[in-house]
Amino acid sequence: QQQVKQSPQSLIVQKGGIPIINCAYENTAFDYFPWYQQFPGKGPALLIAIRPDVSEKKEGRFTISFNKSAKQFSLHIMDSQPGDSATYFCAASIGGSARQLTFGSGTQLTVLP
Amino acid sequence: ETGVTQTPRHLVMGMTNKKSLKCEQHLGHNAMYWYKQSAKKPLELMFVYSLEERVENNSVPSRFSPECPNSSHLFLHLHTLQPEDSALYLCASSQHLASNQPQHFGDGTRLSIL
Repeated sequence: QQQVKQSPQSLIVQKGGIPIINCAYENTAFDYFPWYQQFPGKGPALLIAIRPDVSEKKEGRFTISFNKSAKQFSLHIMDSQPGDSATYFCAASIGGSARQLTFGSGTQLTVLP
Repeated sequence: ETGVTQTPRHLVMGMTNKKSLKCEQHLGHNAMYWYKQSAKKPLELMFVYSLEERVENNSVPSRFSPECPNSSHLFLHLHTLQPEDSALYLCASSQHLASNQPQHFGDGTRLSIL
């Protein structure tokens, strides 16, 4: 199974809120989980990534939580800002290889001022 | 932004036309990729090149023909496309195909098939 299931499809929060985006996978061979951020008219950009040997990783206001037993991982955005409004994609790969990078279907986040 | 540049940004073509998409990366990377992005669907990896050799072809129809003349340039030649081929086509590059190499994406070509 190469699929990565992402939810919700869209999300609206108030400024300062903590949006949470969830992803689930089936293939236990996945061992690298990046998140990408895409603004309208732009290509995706790597935001943060995690390996399954840790349960959490923080970079600034962005945190990935990883639950290996449940085969789930999520992105939390602390103190969200209108500038965070974008589409977020989770992904997974085997051995960190871009050759086998599998993407989720994306979450369109809107942060209201 | 001079990382990964794609041209044209928008392309409208008929089903019988032949056109090409161009991608150029100024990052000194050795691997380049073509993706198809359709609304509300996961990014679909189409082709992967490493050091100018194609290493991946994910069951892409032959009406899409990639070309990588050198490590900085990647083309996607299009002919006899179908309406369902309308999408955003993204080019990406990475240092290598090896582990933990982040991909750098261009801003894509929005393709519309009439």
